Parts: sequence; structure tokens; C-alpha cells
Amino acid sequence: DSGVTQTPKHLITATGQRVTLRCSPRSGDLSVYWYQQSLDQGLQFLIHYYNGEERAKGNILERFSAQQFPDLHSELNLSSLELGDSALYFCASSVEGAPNEQFFGPGTRLTVL
Amino acid sequence: GEDVEQSLFLSVREGDSSVINCTYTDSSSTYLYWYKQEPGAGLQLLTYIFSNMDMKQDQRLTVLLNKKDKHLSLRIADTQTGDSAIYFCAGLKTSYDKVIFGPGTSLSVIP
Repeated sequence: DSGVTQTPKHLITATGQRVTLRCSPRSGDLSVYWYQQSLDQGLQFLIHYYNGEERAKGNILERFSAQQFPDLHSELNLSSLELGDSALYFCASSVEGAPNEQFFGPGTRLTVL
Repeated sequence: GEDVEQSLFLSVREGDSSVINCTYTDSSSTYLYWYKQEPGAGLQLLTYIFSNMDMKQDQRLTVLLNKKDKHLSLRIADTQTGDSAIYFCAGLKTSYDKVIFGPGTSLSVIP
């Protein structure tokens, strides 16, 4: 158990819909990262938040957004869903600074029908 | 560039050593990591190496770094069936505070 929790574990929805994925980092970790893992694209970095502020952006679509709240939990919002958005979404957390050891949550499996 | 490349599959017999290779293009990577992903689970950090090191050993795991060739390898001694998983190589770009992951190598251990 990494100490990072993600909900829900599975999510099935239809094209055009909007969903919210939730992540609670390990106690004391200020950084939260979101990744998308699919068979064709592999593991793609989406976005990084540190203590409530966006720190780095990766291959995140404009239809996707994220935020980190004062209690440090984070939400990833996916809207206007397409079939190709079906993937595993991972959240990871870390303490500030090197070596940036990231602790991954169990993931949310999103299926868009 | 930010590419990290790995061979996609490796199959070894139980008890043999496994060597998983990785090449990266960004020489500014300061830390290089090996993560393991078991079926249905998230990634778990196995080990990391700082870019000024050549080698790091941790029990059955040995990491070798050839900075000149931008080549990283992970050797697993006495490979067990429980080592069957996907292994990701990754590098940290401190200037962007971003970890770039390779595509992962699926290791199958044959009993």
C-alpha cells in the first residue's frame, strides 16, 4: 500500500459525458501528479500540482483539467469524453525535492462507451 | 528531446538473471529510475540512481548507468516468478520537474 488513494476504482460512462477522478496523496506529500496509461500511448504525464499550484503540464488535453485543494487532495476533471479517453488514470504523490520518488495510487480505470 | 526507449518484452527462466535495458535522449536527466508495475496495480519505485553514479546495487537489483551512451540497465539476479511485471525506466528533468517514463518492458519469468 503506497498510501495514495484514488476513487473510484472503476468508472464506466458514455461519450460526451464529464467525470471527476479523485486522489488523496500520502500524508505530508505536497506534490500530486496525474498520469494516463493506455495500451497505445503508454504512460503519459498529464499534470503536476505542488501545494495547490500548477507546477508542470504534460500531454493534457484542453478537455481535461485538474486542481489541488487546500487539504492537498486533487481532482482530475475529464469532459466531452471520447472513446479514446478510455485508460487507466494514475495519481502519484511525492515530497518536494530530489530524488522525487513518486508513490503511485492504484489507479482509476475509465471506460468510455 | 524527452524520449526514453526500452525493449517491450523479455522472457527469462526462473533462477536466471534478467537484464532490462533503457536508452534516454535527454542528457540533463539528473535522476534515473526503475519502476515496477504488477498486473492491476500502480507503479512502485524499485530503485533510482543519481546521474553522477555508474552503478548502484540493492539486494538482487543492480543498476548500471553509462552516461556517455545514455544507457541504463537493470539487472535482477536469481529472477523469480514474482518478478514477472512491467518495468519502467524513467528520468527526471529537474528544470521542468517532470519525470519522463519509457514504454515499459514486460518481463515474463518461466518456471
